Formats: sequence, structure tokens, C-alpha cells
Amino acid sequence: DAGVIQSPRHEVTEMGQEVTLRCKPISGHDYLFWYRQTMMRGLELLIYFNNNVPIDDSGMPEDRFSAKMPNASFSTLKIQPSEPRDSAVYFCASSPQRANQPQHFGDGTRLSIL
Amino acid sequence: DAKTTQPPSMDCAEGRAANLPCNHSTISGNEYVYWYRQIHSQGPQYIIHGLKNNETNEMASLIITEDRKSSTLILPHATLRDTAVYYCIVRVAWKNNDMRFGAGTRLTVKP
Repeated sequence: DAGVIQSPRHEVTEMGQEVTLRCKPISGHDYLFWYRQTMMRGLELLIYFNNNVPIDDSGMPEDRFSAKMPNASFSTLKIQPSEPRDSAVYFCASSPQRANQPQHFGDGTRLSIL
Repeated sequence: DAKTTQPPSMDCAEGRAANLPCNHSTISGNEYVYWYRQIHSQGPQYIIHGLKNNETNEMASLIITEDRKSSTLILPHATLRDTAVYYCIVRVAWKNNDMRFGAGTRLTVKP
């Protein structure tokens, strides 16, 4: 079975540019999560969706960050404008609707803002 | 969700069992214990989870004490590829929300 697929794997861009990260969850999974990992803060949740609807976006750092899930097989996390402090590894994860199910993570996008 | 405490690092000899402890003394009756690991440059990988009974799968065994205040993840025959950061997470059973990752235990398997 294909796991969670994220693209790109690496992104290097200059401050002020728009960045779009993409995620394809595991087919049949109803939950989708976006996490960010840094050395200082560890792995932290940004936002999660259930059946394509955002449920909790309290972890989104500020208005420069936005996330969408237009259908069950695709989600984007956008940063506009990007800043050097946004440099991190961004992970997407998905899980089934049933309670007590583990989340399955993609391999992340390593983002560097110069 | 209950807080967990893990040692920051551990070493293990290749081929030996790796026993990773986790303390979750404030765990509630409806909270499960999950274990994940993260190998360098990869996303966290689910290993195993349990409520109160010991669990075993192809990757590991999970031993939960009778009072549920602590647990141990056992990798029966550690290999070099098991070198990773291991996270113990406690989460309410029916909450399909985020996993609260702490600092974890950095396990180094040595030849």
C-alpha cells in the first residue's frame, strides 16, 4: 500500500516567496494532519482535517500560514510570505475515521528559507 | 492527555534486546499508550499501541504495568537500523486528534 506522499522533499527559497507544500494521504483515511518539526520546538501540530473540513487550526503560527483540503486525496499547506524562521521539516500524516487508530506519517518536506 | 517521561538516550548492543521505558503516572483509564520512532530524515513511524494488556507485533512488544503508570517497549533483537528516536505518547482512545510528541529517547544500537 502507498503511504502518505509529500512533495517536494526539499524546498529552498528566498524570504518573501510563496511556498506550497503538498500531501496525498493514504486512501480511505478520513483524518489529515500537518505537523512542523524544528530542533527548538520538536514536533508540533499545525492543523488537522476530518473529511476535508478543518477541525483545529490553533497550531497555525500566524496568518501567513494557510491550509486547504479540496478533496479526500489532496491537501496543501501554504506560506505567504515566507520568512527564515519558517525553516523546518513539515510532515503530513493521516489516519482512519475509527477511534484509536494510529497516524501514519509521510517523509516530510525539508524547507529552507534564505 | 497524560504527560510522559522518557530517558533522553540509551545504548544497546546489536542483537540484544532493547528495553525502552516510559513513565505515564497520570494516565487515565481511557488513555492508550502509543509508541512511534523516527529514524533520521524520515517521518515518525508507528510501532505499537495498547491499553492495559501486553501487546506484540512484528516490530516490538509493549509491556504495560498493572497500574498502567509505566510501560516498556521491547525490541527483541536490535539491529543497527533500529537506531532512532523513540516516542512514547498517551492519548484518549476516542480522540482522533494530534499526537503530542515529547523529546523521546534516542536509542543508539552499537555493533
